[in-house]
Amino acid sequence: DAKTTQPNSMESNEEEPVHLPCNHSTISGTDYIHWYRQLPSQGPEYVIHGLTSNVNNRMASLAIAEDRKSSTLILHRATLRDAAVYYCILRDRRSQGNLIFGKGTKLSVKP
Amino acid sequence: NAGVTQTPKFRILKIGQSMTLQCTQDMNHNYMYWYRQDPGMGLKLIYYSVGAGITDKGEVPNGYNVSRSTTEDFPLRLELAAPSQTSVYFCASRLGLAVSYEQYFGPGTRLTVT
Repeated sequence: DAKTTQPNSMESNEEEPVHLPCNHSTISGTDYIHWYRQLPSQGPEYVIHGLTSNVNNRMASLAIAEDRKSSTLILHRATLRDAAVYYCILRDRRSQGNLIFGKGTKLSVKP
Repeated sequence: NAGVTQTPKFRILKIGQSMTLQCTQDMNHNYMYWYRQDPGMGLKLIYYSVGAGITDKGEVPNGYNVSRSTTEDFPLRLELAAPSQTSVYFCASRLGLAVSYEQYFGPGTRLTVT
């Protein structure tokens, strides 16, 4: 499975945008890019996913580089509740949906 | 819908004891998964199931067993507990259609083996 590289930690101020980067230089044509986040003492929750085009939903936006070797999760206005570990995961669309989690990026949000 | 529920929330086991972690989902999802998460690490897949009666190993299956007799339930059995199995265990489910990518996770079971 292709691997992802994320910074260990990032800080943001409340109500400012946050850009969380992810590198996946060995991504294959059948890999979807998924983002999950894990709030303290909770199970992970789905944030967004994409294949080639940029994606938006109520939680976030996903910007995918043209060569698909990197992507960025964008939180438009960080809130204290967004403090969590964010995981960038590649999922082969031919697989059974198994997710391979790395260590993720721990996002801290300052009031 | 309650979503994915897990019991118990916490458990302390002695080395060599056995236990079953319960997982139930009420969303009629076909796919179910068991993960473990060690401190400061990401989740690792233990076992998964694509439907009732069908299970398969994940990345770290040793020391665990599963069964899937119904769509709703996917219990994880620990036999002869070892300190290395101290972890937080998460159950997840997914609808399983090609357009359904989202996994729904339970709140976790924190297990300590001493």
